[in-house]
Amino acid sequence: DVKVTQSSRYLVKRTGEKVFLECVQDMDHENMFWYRQDPGLGLRLIYFSYDVKMKEKGDIPEGYSVSREKKERFSLILESASTNQTSMYLCASGLGGIRPQYFGPGTRLLVL
Amino acid sequence: DAKTTQPPSMDCAEGRAANLPCNHSTISGNEYVYWYRQIHSQGPQYIIHGLKNNETNEMASLIITEDRKSSTLILPHATLRDTAVYYCIVKEEGAQKLVFGQGTRLTINP
Repeated sequence: DVKVTQSSRYLVKRTGEKVFLECVQDMDHENMFWYRQDPGLGLRLIYFSYDVKMKEKGDIPEGYSVSREKKERFSLILESASTNQTSMYLCASGLGGIRPQYFGPGTRLLVL
Repeated sequence: DAKTTQPPSMDCAEGRAANLPCNHSTISGNEYVYWYRQIHSQGPQYIIHGLKNNETNEMASLIITEDRKSSTLILPHATLRDTAVYYCIVKEEGAQKLVFGQGTRLTINP
């Protein structure tokens, strides 16, 4: 089975803190994604990566950065957390093309 | 914006088949239909996908109409653990992101 893991299920941070969310997949997938999910807004793509050290902006990249130093690991960085970044963050990976994306369990982040 | 329309909620009795409809009347020839589900507070789970032929796997069956403007996800013997929000998504091969709509909240009743 495909396994996508995320470093934390729940996280509480203060405004202005730097926040790291990590995602690891064990299926040698080229593509990895970070989404956020908010009530009424569905899932929105923040960033994705199609190869090591490659990244592309999604629909809402402002306030976020990403890092992909190894194929299996994709990190999302909140440079200076703000309360409007309180959300559920979902990582996904896939082989691209028509093949599906597989999601991790999510990290519920609360920024106070 | 999501290109699909789904009923907001449905109920089904445990042990019966759950049939979840999805309209995608503007689907183009190179777009596939994907189904995911999300159990409360968990990440979305991939179920099945298809282009125009009916598909079946260990989780469900996907029936796509001949004109491809609608599809139905069938859970043949629903259990309480199938209670979730089910999302129907259309995506072309070259697109990267999945666009989730509001989905159908399926409740399986004992």
